[in-house]
Amino acid sequence: AQKITQTQPGMFVQEKEAVTLDCTYDTSDPSYGLFWYKQPSSGEMIFLIYQGSYDQQNATEGRYSLNFQKARKSANLVISASQLGDSAMYFCAMREGYGNNRLAFGKGNQVVVIP
Amino acid sequence: DTEVTQTPKHLVMGMTNKKSLKCEQHMGHRAMYWYKQKAKKPPELMFVYSYEKLSINESVPSRFSPECPNSSLLNLHLHALQPEDSALYLCASSQEPGLAGDNEQFFGPGTRLTVL
Repeated sequence: AQKITQTQPGMFVQEKEAVTLDCTYDTSDPSYGLFWYKQPSSGEMIFLIYQGSYDQQNATEGRYSLNFQKARKSANLVISASQLGDSAMYFCAMREGYGNNRLAFGKGNQVVVIP
Repeated sequence: DTEVTQTPKHLVMGMTNKKSLKCEQHMGHRAMYWYKQKAKKPPELMFVYSYEKLSINESVPSRFSPECPNSSLLNLHLHALQPEDSALYLCASSQEPGLAGDNEQFFGPGTRLTVL
């Protein structure tokens, strides 16, 4: 079974609009971490935001926020005020348990911001 | 310094060549990773080094040989590759996971490898 599911097709977003990228996960471990990475066409994976399973509040980092719904096992990324530089592939990833080096990645969401 | 560097950026090699990819970080991280990524796909984990020892090998063919000479450096030696090995090879590093969960991996810019 897939650990991380990202099913949205490629998205076109108007500049300055907000966009939500869906991510659902599957784990039976009570301790886990969820990550979002951005990968522009240049190839580098850029860490955006982290949410721990025990965190009481949704994570925020500048224009990025994570809508964490634990009961639904979802960790959607919200990008506010989209910019042209936000055009990229976005990957949701999960690490289960402590002392675990493995990240399970979703298939990614392609976002294109249009002026 | 919060950067992971990788050299070369691009590499074209024949199936009989021997080449090496290099990765370096100076963040004091004790875990380093090699990933392979095909176009429009997520990265696939290949190897993990933890405290300079190989801790994870995801059943990678022996034509890929990792090496961790010290805590800052990670190499990937390539020999007798196949055209299907053409991909983006990403290096990453992180603090060794302990009780803290937020142990993000920092990635380098990658090496785009083409095998002819």
